[in-house]
Amino acid sequence: ETGVTQSPTHLIKTRGQQVTLRCSSQSGHNTVSWYQQALGQGPQFIFQYYREEENGRGNFPPRFSGLQFPNYSSELNVNALELDDSALYLCASSQPGQRNSPLHFGNGTRLTVT
Amino acid sequence: GQNIDQPTEMTATEGAIVQINCTYQTSGFNGLFWYQQHAGEAPTFLSYNVLDGLEEKGRFSSFLSRSKGYSYLLLKELQMKDSASYLCAVIPGGYNKLIFGAGTRLAVHP
Repeated sequence: ETGVTQSPTHLIKTRGQQVTLRCSSQSGHNTVSWYQQALGQGPQFIFQYYREEENGRGNFPPRFSGLQFPNYSSELNVNALELDDSALYLCASSQPGQRNSPLHFGNGTRLTVT
Repeated sequence: GQNIDQPTEMTATEGAIVQINCTYQTSGFNGLFWYQQHAGEAPTFLSYNVLDGLEEKGRFSSFLSRSKGYSYLLLKELQMKDSASYLCAVIPGGYNKLIFGAGTRLAVHP
């Protein structure tokens, strides 16, 4: 069983630039969620995708956007990067239709904005 | 609003027992998760509670009281590898959006 994989592992960008982060979900999982984890904090929900549609969004501005593809992989795009966007970005997948299905997290992408 | 509180840091001795508490105030409740996160790694699932009571899984147990908005994670026979952050997370609504606490950093020393 292949777990959740994310790329790249680390990224350094300049304020104002745009970034795309990628995630491949665990086999059999069609729901993908993205979280932002600042240093010393718990993960914060950005949004969730189910069957290629956004299925819930947290308190993040529109410059955070996403996509889910037919193979259930996903992208997180962030435009007009700000210094506060520096964080660990986690992708998580879960099994369909099960409310108590635990999220399976990837190892994350560490984004640094300078 | 949504609020989840956990102690910031705890220390314990190898072989001992430690209890990490979590209190929550959320707009709804559809379950509570505990995750373990080692530095620089992904959170890994430890336990899930949706009904009141104790769930035991090996050295780890988790308790829930919905009326009190309270949960704890109990770690027995502590090992050095248990040094990590422990995250309490609640599902407030109808889909798998988790609200996480800030995490409790546990340091296990010899």
